[in-house]
Amino acid sequence: SQTIHQWPATLVQPVGSPLSLECTVEGTSNPNLYWYRQAAGRGLQLLFYSVGIGQISSEVPQNLSASRPQDRQFILSSKKLLLSDSGFYLCAWSSRGMKVGGTEAFFGQGTRLTVV
Amino acid sequence: AQTVTQSQPEMSVQEAETVTLSCTYDTSESDYYLFWYKQPPSRQMILVIRQEAYKQQNATENRFSVNFQKAAKSFSLKISDSQLGDAAMYFCAYRSAEPPGQGAQKLVFGQGTRLTINP
Repeated sequence: SQTIHQWPATLVQPVGSPLSLECTVEGTSNPNLYWYRQAAGRGLQLLFYSVGIGQISSEVPQNLSASRPQDRQFILSSKKLLLSDSGFYLCAWSSRGMKVGGTEAFFGQGTRLTVV
Repeated sequence: AQTVTQSQPEMSVQEAETVTLSCTYDTSESDYYLFWYKQPPSRQMILVIRQEAYKQQNATENRFSVNFQKAAKSFSLKISDSQLGDAAMYFCAYRSAEPPGQGAQKLVFGQGTRLTINP
């Protein structure tokens, strides 16, 4: 069965420090991968998505970047965190199926990031 | 670009009653998937129900059903016999069914509706 791991669960970082959040998927190959941010009590904002190794699409210009060094690994990074980067970050994967096999997204447990 | 709109930031319902959450979307595509997700206080995202746009029949999962109106680009969720455990944020989401390509695999969410169940 497929599983998705996201860590850490909670992170408190000072302004100006770097960030690295990691997400890995097991039990599937060639997945679509997504990073979302959720402000308190708000919706999910799509930050990045990837359809393959090294292929990253950015949805919102910001202080963050993403990389996909391996097929089932997706990393969210920042060189210098801002206060506005605080939030709840969710990683997700979905299959690359089309009409047959296209499925919903499966989510990690999320990372609560507080920038102080 | 595809967009998803949930016009009800908050809804409440009495336990055992029925409630309907609204969702509209904008797309120029003819084939796509629509989803409803539930996010309880634990913040884990849980799939509630899925609808393929090429299927005219509305999806049903136990107490959860949808009213899919393709021409109107509307996708509402009906929860029957509401239970205390249904209290959560509910998100509507859209994904293209087109072959992988520029933007085709993007999964877009609405802003969510917070559902409260009154005992």
